[in-house]
Amino acid sequence: QVQLVESGGGLVKPGGSLRLSCAVSGFTFSDYFMSWIRQAPGKGLEWVSHISSAASTIYYADSVKGRFTISRDNAKNSLYLQMNSLRAEDTAVYFCARVYYAFDVWGQGTMVTVSS
Amino acid sequence: EIVMTQSPATLSVSPGERTTLSCRASQSVSTNLAWYQQKPGQAPRLLIYGASTRATGIPARFSGSGSGTEFTLTISSLQSEDFAVYYCQQYNNWPRTFGQGTKVEI
Repeated sequence: QVQLVESGGGLVKPGGSLRLSCAVSGFTFSDYFMSWIRQAPGKGLEWVSHISSAASTIYYADSVKGRFTISRDNAKNSLYLQMNSLRAEDTAVYFCARVYYAFDVWGQGTMVTVSS
Repeated sequence: EIVMTQSPATLSVSPGERTTLSCRASQSVSTNLAWYQQKPGQAPRLLIYGASTRATGIPARFSGSGSGTEFTLTISSLQSEDFAVYYCQQYNNWPRTFGQGTKVEI
C-alpha cells in the first residue's frame, strides 16, 4: 500500500540543524511531486516546500527560504528536508505529502522541537 | 499570498445533521481548492480536490462546491467519525495556503 514514513525529528537548540527524511513505498516515487507541510502545536497547517519529480522546480515558504533545503533521491525513494538556523517558531510536526493536484497522501509526521 | 478564510471557527452539531462549512479565498483560485479532515494526533486526510471531486475512498456524504473565491464543504448526514477539524487549501498559486480550520464538534 501507499506509505510515507518521516524520520529525523527531535530536540535541537536554536541555531542548530536537522535533516528530515521521508521514505516512500507503494507507488512510483519518481512520477510524483512532493511537499513538506508543518503544523505547530495546537495550530493550523503551513506549507513549507515543494519539489518536482525530477527536482528541477523547487519552491519554499518565505518563512523558511534561505534556511531550509528540500531534496529527493528517486533511486532511494526518499524525500529530504535539511533545516538550518532553526528558530523556536520552527517547532512543529513536519509532514511529507505526495502531490496529485492537492496533497493526496500524507505521512504520520515527525516532531521537531527547537528549544534551549 | 492568497489568504484562505474559513467560517465558522467552530461548529456544534448533532449526529445525523447536515453541515456546511465555508471557505473564502482573497483572490480567485478557480477550482484549485482542496478540503482535508484532521483528527487529533493524526495526519490530515484529503477529502475533496478540484473543489468538488471526492478523493479515493471518501464517502458520498462529503461533497464540495464553489469556484473562484467562495467554496463550501457539505456533510449530508454527520456521523460520529466525522467530528474533526476541516481545512481548505488552495493550489492555484504559490505559496500554497491553508485556511485556519473549522472544528466540527458535538
